[in-house]
Amino acid sequence: KAGVTQTPRYLIKTRGQQVTLSCSPISGHRSVSWYQQTPGQGLQFLFEYFSETQRNKGNFPGRFSGRQFSNSRSEMNVSTLELGDSALYLCASSSGQGATEAFFGQGTRLTVV
Amino acid sequence: QQPVQSPQAVILREGEDAVINCSSSKALYSVHWYRQKHGEAPVFLMILLKGGEQKGHEKISASFNEKKQQSSLYLTASQLSYSGTYFCGTEKRVSGGTSYGKLTFGQGTILTVHP
Repeated sequence: KAGVTQTPRYLIKTRGQQVTLSCSPISGHRSVSWYQQTPGQGLQFLFEYFSETQRNKGNFPGRFSGRQFSNSRSEMNVSTLELGDSALYLCASSSGQGATEAFFGQGTRLTVV
Repeated sequence: QQPVQSPQAVILREGEDAVINCSSSKALYSVHWYRQKHGEAPVFLMILLKGGEQKGHEKISASFNEKKQQSSLYLTASQLSYSGTYFCGTEKRVSGGTSYGKLTFGQGTILTVHP
C-alpha cells in the first residue's frame, strides 16, 4: 500500500512569491490535514479537508489556503511569501471517519529567501 | 492551547524503560502519539480514545486518564531504534465528537537511546 506522497520535497522561493504544495493521500483515505513544522513553534495545524470540503482551520493568515480534489489529492497555497514561512510543511492522511490514526508524508521543505 | 509534554528530553541505555507524559488543559476526545526521527516524517504509534479504546502498531503501550486529561506513553526495554522526538497530539472534545483531524501537538520529548 503506497504511503502519503508530497511534492516537491524541497523548494526555494523569494519573498513576495507564491507557492503551491501537493499531497496525495493513501488510497481510500478521504481526509487530508496540513501542518507547518518549525523549530520555534513546533507542529501547527493549518487546515483539514474531507471530500473536497474544508472542515477545520487553524490560526494562520488568509495567505495560506488549500483545496482538495475529487480524487482526495490536496494542494496548499501560500501567497505573498514571507521569510517566516520557511518551514517543513507536512500533510497527514486518514480515513476522516471519527478519531483515527493519521499517516504523515515526508513533507515539503520550503525556504523563503 | 498546546499540551505540555514532560520530560523535555531523556537519555537511556538499551534495555531501560521510559515514560513520557502529555497534559492538556482542555477536555479531550483523543490523544495521538507519534515519533519523528531527524529529517523524517512523524510516524504514528498509538491513538487513545476517551472511553478507553486504543489503537497501536508497535510494542508500545500508553494510558489516557480522562479525568485529568493526561496521557502517558510507556517505552519498555528500549532499543536504539526508539531514539527520536516523541510528540503527543490532542484532539479536543467538541459537540458531535471529533474535531475533524485537528491535532494540537506538544513541544516534543527528545529520546536518546545509547548502546
